[in-house]
Amino acid sequence: DAGITQSPRHKVTETGTPVTLRCHQTENHRYMYWYRQDPGHGLRLIHYSYGVKDTDKGEVSDGYSVSRSKTEDFLLTLESATSSQTSVYFCAISEFKGSSATNEKLFFGSGTQLSVL
Amino acid sequence: DQQVKQNSPSLSVQEGRISILNCDYTNSMFDYFLWYKKYPAEGPTFLISISSIKDKNEDGRFTVFLNKSAKHLSLHIVPSQPGDSAVYFCAASGVLTSGTYKYIFGTGTRLKVLA
Repeated sequence: DAGITQSPRHKVTETGTPVTLRCHQTENHRYMYWYRQDPGHGLRLIHYSYGVKDTDKGEVSDGYSVSRSKTEDFLLTLESATSSQTSVYFCAISEFKGSSATNEKLFFGSGTQLSVL
Repeated sequence: DQQVKQNSPSLSVQEGRISILNCDYTNSMFDYFLWYKKYPAEGPTFLISISSIKDKNEDGRFTVFLNKSAKHLSLHIVPSQPGDSAVYFCAASGVLTSGTYKYIFGTGTRLKVLA
């Protein structure tokens, strides 16, 4: 299994509070991603990082921010949580060495179940 | 604008028969396609992949077919087993307009293999 740890595994919070989810990898992979999984929507990309301090938006980035100060850590922050952000959040990592995506698999963590009440 | 689509939310198949899961994509910049399997309360796990330069890749009971002209790929599982019951996600990857690599996923198909 890829060395990816997500914390916390479960969290319940109230609307309007800030929340930070952490992803830690031991693989030294360059790329890290945050996805959310919701019924009927599958896995949607929130933000991703292609290096330390290099991040970009995904498909559903509104209401989220990220930071990557070290290769191994990628943080996802909900500045003011809303009920629509209740979801399962997955961190994933990958490594790209060439000019093509071929043979570069994405490896996932076990997920964080977030409930915003 | 959904770039990767899985139009069948669910599929039921008898044990021993073939399961066919379909996926369509819109962006011609994708050059690598993957299938992931997900059980409840676990992260998705890699199943099989195919490069855009191929039209078929086989791994045991799993075969992925790619039709680039139709922007369509399919996953065949034969024979299907009860342990294959899970949600299957199709994903497409490539260097998109931003110059970085992204993986875009479909909405998933829930496969149920009946014993």
